[in-house]
Amino acid sequence: AQSVTQLGSHVSVSEGALVLLRCNYSSSVPPYLFWYVQYPNQGLQLLLKYTTGATLVKGINGFEAEFKKSETSFHLTKPSAHMSDAAEDFCAVSATGGGNKLTFGTGTQLKVEL
Amino acid sequence: DAGITQSPRHKVTETGTPVTLRCHQTENHRYMYWYRQDPGHGLRLIHYSYGVKDTDKGEVSDGYSVSRSKTEDFLLTLESATSSQTSVYFCAISGGGEQETQYFGPGTRLLVL
Repeated sequence: AQSVTQLGSHVSVSEGALVLLRCNYSSSVPPYLFWYVQYPNQGLQLLLKYTTGATLVKGINGFEAEFKKSETSFHLTKPSAHMSDAAEDFCAVSATGGGNKLTFGTGTQLKVEL
Repeated sequence: DAGITQSPRHKVTETGTPVTLRCHQTENHRYMYWYRQDPGHGLRLIHYSYGVKDTDKGEVSDGYSVSRSKTEDFLLTLESATSSQTSVYFCAISGGGEQETQYFGPGTRLLVL
């Protein structure tokens, strides 16, 4: 079984400040990890994903995340927040033998203030 | 954007009535999924399909059924809607494989009175 924990249901940052959204996972087999973003009244779209290889992955809109196996973490970062980053972000995990199913975290609402 | 549409986009219904939501894709993807999104719960998988007429249950399947008679269409039915099924429902598609990205539709907002 796999699970995801997102610490902090709401995160507020100033425009231009570092964004850090935390995600920890639990998986008995090597995981595949995803971050999705949801803007108001829209579906989810992929920010980035880790499958194999390089543990630092870069995504759209300047976001990146680092897979740390020893910490079972996949935190999402962005060096400088922009007002357009305000959205809800979801971390998700799938795993080999998991039936192509994603397990999502409960989401983090990112607010960007002037 | 992946070619995924959901219908209806909004629906209000009464407790005890049947409701069917439709997901249509133009990408010829093998896998299709139905999720519900509720505050504090993120997205939870209801049912998914890995081919025509091949479906399986997800985490929160009670009270829901699905059908897939064509590659492009995946139907979600609430046989007798309850207020606890008030939610936003999302369809997703993928080519298959746990590494594959799932692409999401725009969602259906369902209110059961």
